[in-house]
Amino acid sequence: GAGVSQSPSNKVTEKGKDVELRCDPISGHTALYWYRQSLGQGLEFLIYFQGNSAPDKSGLPSDRFSAERTGGSVSTLTIQRTQQEDSAVYLCASSFGDKGYGYTFGSGTRLTVV
Amino acid sequence: KQEVTQIPAALSVPEGENLVLNCSFTDSAIYNLQWFRQDPGKGLTSLLLIQSSQREQTSGRLNASLDKSSGRSTLYIAASQPGDSATYLCAVSGANSGYSTLTFGKGTMLLVSP
Repeated sequence: GAGVSQSPSNKVTEKGKDVELRCDPISGHTALYWYRQSLGQGLEFLIYFQGNSAPDKSGLPSDRFSAERTGGSVSTLTIQRTQQEDSAVYLCASSFGDKGYGYTFGSGTRLTVV
Repeated sequence: KQEVTQIPAALSVPEGENLVLNCSFTDSAIYNLQWFRQDPGKGLTSLLLIQSSQREQTSGRLNASLDKSSGRSTLYIAASQPGDSATYLCAVSGANSGYSTLTFGKGTMLLVSP
């Protein structure tokens, strides 16, 4: 596609429910990243996929968070048993290769846990 | 752990002024540094990328400098315009922790008044 597409753009969920956030990267970009932007905080790295390599999960805040990338393209970030502190904007980005060239962000999913 | 600090947190200037945004980072072992722009409710747009071996990059009215040894970067905006109003984010990628995952500052919120 022309850009990084994320869905839904907004999600309101009840505490304790599971949510899935979707990211469709730019065609041909081998790297895909998830970041989180909380109110008053900077962007926080969550997870990084590069081609067929094992993902870098070092930024995931707890085992309630997981992500997968199918066929080297679309990625889904899953948050289980959501908590109020999970409320944030979740941003997906993709880039060429493994050096971060052409970093392009999606518009994000705003998650609100009530 | 890399930490990125941006000063000031907010800046308000009249149209036409030249201005400087500051970014500092604690670990000088970076691969590159990027400046991004974020408009409300939108994703991030990459403005300038400086490789660790470079000293500056220019694009139109924007000029970014990098002093890796002192851990500092500045973004210079010439002849500011109301359309420049946005949040500006500085981010570094670490040579020791994956070349393309980014550590962000909290940003400088810029308002340019007509």
